[in-house]
Amino acid sequence: ETGVTQTPRHLVMGMTNKKSLKCEQHLGHNAMYWYKQSAKKPLELMFVYNFKEQTENNSVPSRFSPECPNSSHLFLHLHTLQPEDSALYLCSSSIPAGGHGDTQYFGPGTRLTVL
Amino acid sequence: AQKVTQAQTEISVVEKEDVTLDCVYETRDTTYYLFWYKQPPSGELVFLIRRNSFDEQNEISGRYSWNFQKSTSSFNFTITASQVVDSAVYFCALTGANNLFFGTGTRLTVIP
Repeated sequence: ETGVTQTPRHLVMGMTNKKSLKCEQHLGHNAMYWYKQSAKKPLELMFVYNFKEQTENNSVPSRFSPECPNSSHLFLHLHTLQPEDSALYLCSSSIPAGGHGDTQYFGPGTRLTVL
Repeated sequence: AQKVTQAQTEISVVEKEDVTLDCVYETRDTTYYLFWYKQPPSGELVFLIRRNSFDEQNEISGRYSWNFQKSTSSFNFTITASQVVDSAVYFCALTGANNLFFGTGTRLTVIP
């Protein structure tokens, strides 16, 4: 595997379900990110992790819970979601995020539908 | 605060035509970086270019070229002799303190 991978690619869940999205990067990076992409809206940054430590939480509701066990893996745990949470969730990675323009490389995304 | 504006929501061109995608940005930082990404129907954002604020030289990579002008805060992207495979959503982005600020994207459709 190369680059950034995300699983599953598609997910349909009910509002009472609990599910997790997984992201894995094979680029040797130390920063990982979660973004939400809704129709006709700019990509919204959700979380940033640097060396496994969360450095940014962009006022994300607590029904989204990130986990970064190591620099290569990032999870997004989902519970009691709302239909408006349906979106494409993108993961990316970069060398440590320091505001110095490090290029982020993205995975293919998970298309989430909340019924 | 950082802001990126891509005023063109959708563009359609006929194959082999040239097309320019506009990007205008706002920032108070003196050092910043600008990016272009391509998002094909598969969903993955593909990195195309990174440019720092001190380098205003235009860049050409095959059929792609970028025109960075600090005086007008613009970073436009031109595709020469467009092809059907260029059909995608293109995003311009600007660095912030700890992340990227993206524009809303321009959907390019190249008609065979």
